[in-house]
Amino acid sequence: GAGVSQSPSNKVTEKGKDVELRCDPISGHTALYWYRQSLGQGLEFLIYFQGNSAPDKSGLPSDRFSAERTGGSVSTLTIQRTQQEDSAVYLCASSLSGRGTQQPQHFGDGTRLSIL
Amino acid sequence: GNSVTQMEGPVTLSEEAFLTINCTYTATGYPSLFWYVQYPGEGLQLLLKATKADDKGSNKGFEATYRKETTSFHLEKGSVQVSDSAVYFCALRPNTGNQFYFGTGTSLTVIP
Repeated sequence: GAGVSQSPSNKVTEKGKDVELRCDPISGHTALYWYRQSLGQGLEFLIYFQGNSAPDKSGLPSDRFSAERTGGSVSTLTIQRTQQEDSAVYLCASSLSGRGTQQPQHFGDGTRLSIL
Repeated sequence: GNSVTQMEGPVTLSEEAFLTINCTYTATGYPSLFWYVQYPGEGLQLLLKATKADDKGSNKGFEATYRKETTSFHLEKGSVQVSDSAVYFCALRPNTGNQFYFGTGTSLTVIP
């Protein structure tokens, strides 16, 4: 597609349930990033993938969070046993890499997650 | 290490006022610098960028100049409009690796 696509756009679930958030990056972008944006807060880095390299998971807040990227394209962020503090907008971004530092990130519209 | 510090908001301006949102950074080497804008209910969009010292990025009447001597990348616009109301994020990308570093965002509200 023309841009980064995220689904669902909104997700409401009960505390304790597992959720999966999907990100479809721009075709050809080898770098993919997940961020969390809580109400009134900045961007919190969660994880990023670069090609076939091991992902940088340094931003994941707990072991309930995990992500995978299949075939170097689509990524899924999974949150297990959701808690109310997980409520936030989850943003995905992709960028070109290996071509110098000039390439920006391109963001999806985010998934707004609400935990009841 | 790498980090971005930007002016705290919220900022409220009248239409046609002059806007400055300060951004300073810490980085090793020569990073690329970016401003992103997030309109209500939307994801972040690239507003402008600069990739080397003294470069000026510009778009939609906004400008920012990469100042290495002051490690700054302040965002300016001479005459804001109501449609500029959004959250603005300053970001850097170091010259090695693919990680990005974002400021905390500055909320701008422009009133008629």
